[in-house]
Amino acid sequence: DSGVTQTPKHLITATGQRVTLRCSPRSGDLSVYWYQQSLDQGLQFLIQYYNGEERAKGNILERFSAQQFPDLHSELNLSSLELGDSALYFCASSSRTGDNYGYTFGSGTRLTVV
Amino acid sequence: AQTVTQSQPEMSVQEAETVTLSCTYDTSENNYYLFWYKQPPSRQMILVIRQEAYKQQNATENRFSVNFQKAAKSFSLKISDSQLGDTAMYFCAFDGGSNYKLTFGKGTLLTVNP
Repeated sequence: DSGVTQTPKHLITATGQRVTLRCSPRSGDLSVYWYQQSLDQGLQFLIQYYNGEERAKGNILERFSAQQFPDLHSELNLSSLELGDSALYFCASSSRTGDNYGYTFGSGTRLTVV
Repeated sequence: AQTVTQSQPEMSVQEAETVTLSCTYDTSENNYYLFWYKQPPSRQMILVIRQEAYKQQNATENRFSVNFQKAAKSFSLKISDSQLGDTAMYFCAFDGGSNYKLTFGKGTLLTVNP
């Protein structure tokens, strides 16, 4: 167990639908990152939150949005889903201090759009 | 923008042998971190090793070690005494500190043969 919890592990939904992916960061980590890993691509950075505030944005589609709540958990909302949105979505949290500097990943949510 | 390049899409090695995975990166930052992550068939992202750019000494973690050449912007991973469980996709990643995200290479698929 990495300490980063992602739910659900698997999600199958139809085109045009909306889904919400949830992430709880490791205890003490204030930053949450979302990444998308498609079958034929590496890990694409979507968005980062730090202590509730959006800090950095990658190539995130307008149909996608995210937020981080006061208890530091984060949700990634994907709407008007298309077949091409099928991918593994990772959440990571980071400790950016001293010897513990690094990123810890959750086990991912596998989204299948049919 | 930072870029990370892994020039070897696939590699294979015999069990108990040594293999080196290559990674180069491009940045104008002076202080940064480099990482190697392992993604086995379970798709979990597992931190293998971390290197801080301001440290001259190459990082080591048991059978894993890096050759960090800052001037050449090169960060290779050496796996000694390869084991079947080392079979995985290996990603090189860069964190430029002020960049607020981890940038990944496209990965190298390593197969360890018995």
